[in-house]
Amino acid sequence: QKEVEQNSGPLSVPEGAIASLNCTYSDRVSQSFFWYRQYSGKSPELIMSIYSNGDKEDGRFTAQLNKASQYVSLLIRDSQPSDSATYLCAVGGNTGGFKTIFGAGTRLFVKA
Amino acid sequence: GAVVSQHPSRVICKSGTSVKIECRSLDFQATTMFWYRQFPKQSLMLMATSNEGSKATYEQGVEKDKFLINHASLTLSTLTVTSAHPEDSSFYICSAATSNEQYFGPGTRLTVT
Repeated sequence: QKEVEQNSGPLSVPEGAIASLNCTYSDRVSQSFFWYRQYSGKSPELIMSIYSNGDKEDGRFTAQLNKASQYVSLLIRDSQPSDSATYLCAVGGNTGGFKTIFGAGTRLFVKA
Repeated sequence: GAVVSQHPSRVICKSGTSVKIECRSLDFQATTMFWYRQFPKQSLMLMATSNEGSKATYEQGVEKDKFLINHASLTLSTLTVTSAHPEDSSFYICSAATSNEQYFGPGTRLTVT
């Protein structure tokens, strides 16, 4: 059974700072990795996907993947109060129709 | 990103009745659709996985006779909560997957009184 672990937080950062969210996973054959943002009472929204080792940048977001360490992270630069949400790490297999396993999420609070 | 819709967004029903929730992928054909449930302050819990034209695969502990899933086409899946009870009150979220990524519907808030 795959496991995806995240620190539940809350992680509190001041506006403008870098928020660093971390995630570890147990299944070495995992091939796809995702970060979702979920506002309270809303459905998760995909913000980043990463499939190979290294960094992937998209605007203020950078995803980092290290398959050897089974570790994936999300950096949010210039954090804004609107970034305050729960961030879910998700890990999937390598075939179409894979089953994605979600972490419990990290609550991020950006203070104005 | 791809768009997934759910209907209704919110439903209140009496104990013992059944409720149907629809999930549609609006601008793509989904190889697989998933149904999740999320209780307050908890993470998403996968209930079942369905592929078009075949029976859904349910996760351990999820009653297939209570949570009926019909995957009629590559763009439509339905979840029917039969004989609902107050403990079924939750946020039900569907998602539709392409070969690489998974997109979520907006969710359905079910309240059973």
